[in-house]
Amino acid sequence: GEDVEQSLFLSVREGDSSVINCTYTDSSSTYLYWYKQEPGAGLQLLTYIFSNMDMKQDQRLTVLLNKKDKHLSLRIADTQTGDSAIYFCAESGRDDKIIFGKGTRLHILP
Amino acid sequence: NAGVTQTPKFQVLKTGQSMTLQCAQDMNHNSMYWYRQDPGMGLRLIYYSASEGTTDKGEVPNGYNVSRLNKREFSLRLESAAPSQTSVYFCASSEEGRQFSSYNSPLHFGNGTRLTVT
Repeated sequence: GEDVEQSLFLSVREGDSSVINCTYTDSSSTYLYWYKQEPGAGLQLLTYIFSNMDMKQDQRLTVLLNKKDKHLSLRIADTQTGDSAIYFCAESGRDDKIIFGKGTRLHILP
Repeated sequence: NAGVTQTPKFQVLKTGQSMTLQCAQDMNHNSMYWYRQDPGMGLRLIYYSASEGTTDKGEVPNGYNVSRLNKREFSLRLESAAPSQTSVYFCASSEEGRQFSSYNSPLHFGNGTRLTVT
């Protein structure tokens, strides 16, 4: 079945780059998404990438897609305390549904 | 422009009580969803409605019912609450439910309802 896997925790020093990784199983996925969830809030769409692209950059965010290995990553440059959140990887899977990973909690060290 | 609005924000129920979680969106989206979020489990889809007048079961539908009242509103009902239904519930909407090959239809989420069943 469809599955999206990501590590549960990541700690990064303020000012360094954060790299959050994700693997997915559905090779027919058209779009892949990164969502951010801050404490007490819902998920907010951060960025997305179309499956025929291998990279997308949006200010401090860089998304890399390796379709052959079904691997997606999100790089946050110059990580700030405001980046502390849970980051969810998601794919547009079969059956008209978006499949989410369990989320990676990003902790910023001073 | 409020986006997706959920009420209530918090609720405490006793086992066996019933309640309805309300959700409304003002983005003219066709599809709406109910998820629950539990520690270590991520987001799990309870029910969804691809368009007005249709509803379908998701991954964990047992113990829940839904109503797509109109295009804007999608409610989730717990007929007889159980402690296992203690969770944070999120409503979401998207322009289209079908993931067409050339169509980008991300989900837009409400801020959640934190439900505790004692």
